[in-house]
Amino acid sequence: DIQMTQSPSSLSASVGDRVTITCRASQSISRYLNWYQQKPGKAPNLLIYTASSLQTGVPSRFSGRGSGTDFTLTISSLQPEDFATYYCQQSFSTPPGTFGGGTKIEIK
Amino acid sequence: EVQLVESGGGLVQPGRSLRLSCLGSGFTLGDYAMSWVRQAPGKGLESVAFIRSKAYGGTTEYAASVKGRFSISRDDSKSIAYLHMNSLKTEDTALYYCSRVDYSGSYYYFDSWGQGTLVTVSS
Repeated sequence: DIQMTQSPSSLSASVGDRVTITCRASQSISRYLNWYQQKPGKAPNLLIYTASSLQTGVPSRFSGRGSGTDFTLTISSLQPEDFATYYCQQSFSTPPGTFGGGTKIEIK
Repeated sequence: EVQLVESGGGLVQPGRSLRLSCLGSGFTLGDYAMSWVRQAPGKGLESVAFIRSKAYGGTTEYAASVKGRFSISRDDSKSIAYLHMNSLKTEDTALYYCSRVDYSGSYYYFDSWGQGTLVTVSS
């Protein structure tokens, strides 16, 4: 099974900060990596698919990069509504796929 | 507007069964793969079951943690996806989300989600 490891598990940041989250796969997954945002008490929301494609309606301050085993999600200028938990998910192996453990972004 | 509404959750004793339903609207459910993703209290996301559209054979896949106990099915005429859960364990306690899947045969991603239905397994 492919394991997904996110780092850090949590971070504190301020509005306007540039924030980068890392996701590492236990084996190469090409570019089959998706990112989701989850706010407290809400369902997850797709942000980025296939490593760098921005889902319709998602602000351009979100961007994704990477291939193989190492991936990043960057928020160029953190906004108040971005404080949430972010999950990566690999879709290289047979569904249903596996998620990383999550990264919680908190207000500094 | 795409909407997914889950139902069927509740309190159930260990070893018993439960069936969850996911009603889709605003899109043709038969054109999409569907999946169930769960989240235990205070924990992360775990995708547990997946069913392809009829165009891809309607075949199913499961996480190792539920294989042999859970079964996913679909009724495209009613725009409903189901999760049949048997031999429930206390560790199956979670909020269960239904998700629409954009599936190309190679990559896939969960592009729409319901609000979830809570399953509590306890004696």
